[in-house]
Amino acid sequence: DAGITQSPRYKITETGRQVTLMCHQTWSHSYMFWYRQDLGHGLRLIYYSAAADITDKGEVPDGYVVSRSKTENFPLTLESATRSQTSVYFCASRKREAGNQPQHFGDGTRLSIL
Amino acid sequence: AQSVAQPEDQVNVAEGNPLTVKCTYSVSGNPYLFWYVQYPNRGLQFLLKYITGDNLVKGSYGFEAEFNKSQTSFHLKKPSALVSDSALYFCAVRPPLGAGTALIFGKGTTLSVSS
Repeated sequence: DAGITQSPRYKITETGRQVTLMCHQTWSHSYMFWYRQDLGHGLRLIYYSAAADITDKGEVPDGYVVSRSKTENFPLTLESATRSQTSVYFCASRKREAGNQPQHFGDGTRLSIL
Repeated sequence: AQSVAQPEDQVNVAEGNPLTVKCTYSVSGNPYLFWYVQYPNRGLQFLLKYITGDNLVKGSYGFEAEFNKSQTSFHLKKPSALVSDSALYFCAVRPPLGAGTALIFGKGTTLSVSS
């Protein structure tokens, strides 16, 4: 049972560079989400996707781009990284049926931007 | 604005004592309520949820939560704490509509259980 996996687990990059965080789930869940976790803020939603080729903005989308060409993958791209994007990023997924289902989270990517 | 509040950044309890981690919410309609736990360097793990019905919800690892509609609270409880319960706990709500019904999280409460 692979579940939901994120890669890389750790990444260090420089300001201005492009970086892509990968998320893959094996459950065929319809919904996928990207959150960032920062001290004092809890988790904040960046983008979400209801199905392949359907994405929408969350609370803090600026500076991020997502795509979802396949149900199982939901990559997050920082087109020109800034220091304020240093954070821990979590991907999550959920079944479409019944909104009372919990989200399932990956183990996160710790991203440092120098 | 819809929000979730966890008023305590940290809760300290002795092993064997009962614990409570508090959560209140401000969400229109009848939201779904969740508790998650996060261990160091790991993702969030689902503990329990309230959808409807009994106000006392039982979940994983002996945790339970008490829903109070009039106080818009959903406090996490455990009758007897273990050292291994030490972790970061998040309360989350899912509003009935909007934003793909993504979760709104509180800022988290660090639970420290001493032996």
